[in-house]
Amino acid sequence: IQLTQSPSLLSASVGDRVTLSCKGSQNINNYLAWYQQKLGEAPKLLIYNTNSLQTGIPSRFSGSGSGTDYTLTISSLQPEDVATYFCYQYNNGLTFGSGTKLEIK
Amino acid sequence: EVQLVESGGGLVQPGRSLKLSCAASGFTFSNYYMAWVRQAPTKGLEWVASITNSGGSTYYRDSVKGRFTISRDNAKSTLYLQMDSLRSEDTATYYCTRETVAADYFDYWGQGVMVTVSS
Repeated sequence: IQLTQSPSLLSASVGDRVTLSCKGSQNINNYLAWYQQKLGEAPKLLIYNTNSLQTGIPSRFSGSGSGTDYTLTISSLQPEDVATYFCYQYNNGLTFGSGTKLEIK
Repeated sequence: EVQLVESGGGLVQPGRSLKLSCAASGFTFSNYYMAWVRQAPTKGLEWVASITNSGGSTYYRDSVKGRFTISRDNAKSTLYLQMDSLRSEDTATYYCTRETVAADYFDYWGQGVMVTVSS
C-alpha cells in the first residue's frame, strides 16, 4: 500500500487548527499511525489505530478517518509542534508516507 | 524508562559489511517484536526488517533480502542488524524500534545511527 500525504509543506499561525491528510492506495482498515519528527530527532508516536492517542501526547492532537482517507488534526497549533509528520500503515505491509513539514507562519 | 541505544554505524565502502547493535533497557525485551527502520538523508522513513520476540521468525523489505540479517540475543537484551554487500542506496540513519504487542507499529525509537556507504 502506498501512502500520499498532503500538503508536503504547511505554514500556519500559532493557535490555528491544522489538518494533515494521508491517503492510501488501498483500504487501510484503520491500521494507521501518525509520527512526529522534529529536526535532528527520532520520530515519536502520536496516534495509532487511526484515533488512539499515545500516552503522554497532548490532547490537541487527534486522528480520524476510514477506508483510504485519514487525517491528523492539531486543534490549536503551538510553537513546539514545528516538525515533519509522517503517516504509517500496517494493514498490508509496512509503509510510511512521504511526510508533511509543518512550520509556523 | 524504555531506552534503545544503537551503535556500530560509520563509513563503509560499497560491497563491504557492517553490523549494527541496539541495546535495550527499561522493558522485558523478550516479550516484544523488534525492528529496524531507516531514513536516507533528507528523505522519508522506510521499514527495513522485523524479528519476532523469540527470534524464530524474521521479515525483510525486498531491497535488503539476502543481504541483511536481523537477529537478537534476549539474554543480553540486544538487537542486531548484519548488513552485507552494502550499496550506496543503503546510506541512511538506522533506527532501532520496538513493535507493540498488539500490532505492527513502533512505539519506541532509538536515537539512530548513521551508515554511509561510499568509496
